[in-house]
Amino acid sequence: RKEVEQDPGPFNVPEGATVAFNCTYSNSASQSFFWYRQDCRKEPKLLMSVYSSGNEDGRFTAQLNRASQYISLLIRDSKLSDSATYLCVVNLDTGRRALTFGSGTRLQVQP
Amino acid sequence: DTAVSQTPKYLVTQMGNDKSIKCEQNLGHDTMYWYKQDSKKFLKIMFSYNNKELIINETVPNRFSPKSPDKAHLNLHINSLELGDSAVYFCASSLGRGGETQYFGPGTRLLVL
Repeated sequence: RKEVEQDPGPFNVPEGATVAFNCTYSNSASQSFFWYRQDCRKEPKLLMSVYSSGNEDGRFTAQLNRASQYISLLIRDSKLSDSATYLCVVNLDTGRRALTFGSGTRLQVQP
Repeated sequence: DTAVSQTPKYLVTQMGNDKSIKCEQNLGHDTMYWYKQDSKKFLKIMFSYNNKELIINETVPNRFSPKSPDKAHLNLHINSLELGDSAVYFCASSLGRGGETQYFGPGTRLLVL
């Protein structure tokens, strides 16, 4: 089992749609969780941290389910500019003091 | 005001050559990282330094040697380049000792011919 696993997609959705991505992680003691966004030929950029109680930032909502060891990202009212690869990132707390990146889920929003 | 910068942005070179990539951050962060992103887009950590001290050294060929002259700089030297070294190399930094939010440089696209 991969340490951080995501559906690679692509998710092709029309503008205005709601889309959700899930990500599972292997270590129940994992400490911190993030969603990053990576545009084509660009560096990853922090989209949002994921808090235990769930959190929202505009059209984006992140949830954490510790019992099932997954995090989710919900994007409402998709825009063309949301097209990117979304990376699930976890501090697995294996003593390594590093973040582990999922391989990413590609989203393509179509007009 | 670039937070994490890398040079060069593109690097095309022949097999067997030696090359270096430089990284600088002006965020005042204590930890810096090198990642490799291959053609399948998987981002894998190679090294991390905290205040010039090596704290992560993943299973990377010893042809790769990081150097941190101070906590704002982390360079990567690669000896005897191989075809499989072709990838995008990202530098990143974070405030603490690792495991928290990281900020990435724009990447160095290395092509070995």
